[in-house]
Amino acid sequence: KAGVTQTPRYLIKTRGQQVTLSCSPISGHRSVSWYQQTPGQGLQFLFEYFSETQRNKGNFPGRFSGRQFSNSRSEMNVSTLELGDSALYLCASSLAIADADTQYFGPGTRLTVL
Amino acid sequence: AQKITQTQPGMFVQEKEAVTLDCTYDTSDPSYGLFWYKQPSSGEMIFLIYQGSYDQQNATEGRYSLNFQKARKSANLVISASQLGDSAMYFCAMIIRNQGGKLIFGQGTELSVKP
Repeated sequence: KAGVTQTPRYLIKTRGQQVTLSCSPISGHRSVSWYQQTPGQGLQFLFEYFSETQRNKGNFPGRFSGRQFSNSRSEMNVSTLELGDSALYLCASSLAIADADTQYFGPGTRLTVL
Repeated sequence: AQKITQTQPGMFVQEKEAVTLDCTYDTSDPSYGLFWYKQPSSGEMIFLIYQGSYDQQNATEGRYSLNFQKARKSANLVISASQLGDSAMYFCAMIIRNQGGKLIFGQGTELSVKP
């Protein structure tokens, strides 16, 4: 079974631009969560989608948004990029049968904002 | 407040020896799960082991075991017979059962295995 895939793997943008990252979960997984990883703040939860609905959201500004499609694939969008948005963005999927279900991560998208 | 604390920023271990990575957690919710993930330099987070708050026995997965001490709120990872490929960042994480799919991570421990 294929793992979680994320595209693109690397991205370079300039301040003020917007970016869209994509995540395809493991087949059969219904929940997709997004995390931001930076050297200073560590791993922080962005949001979770389940059955095309945002089920949980972290403490990030409204510039960060996401969505989930009927096939469980998810995208996250960051508008008006800032230098501080440079990070590794990780997506994780789970079966979501139980609340504490194991999340399996993709390889991440490394975003650099210049 | 819900929090994960990993007090060892970096650790060294000799190949073939066992090593324990510390993790303490803080939550007032009785229903939660604890995870350990490995992150090599490539960046991908690899799931290692899971322990539920109601599990009576410590979890084990091959060379990995989780030393769960509920009263002390600790969930230490034990890696037996370390291998060079075990060199990586290790993260302890917690999920609260009634809060959906939000993982709370610690700051991580960088493990270096010496030949």
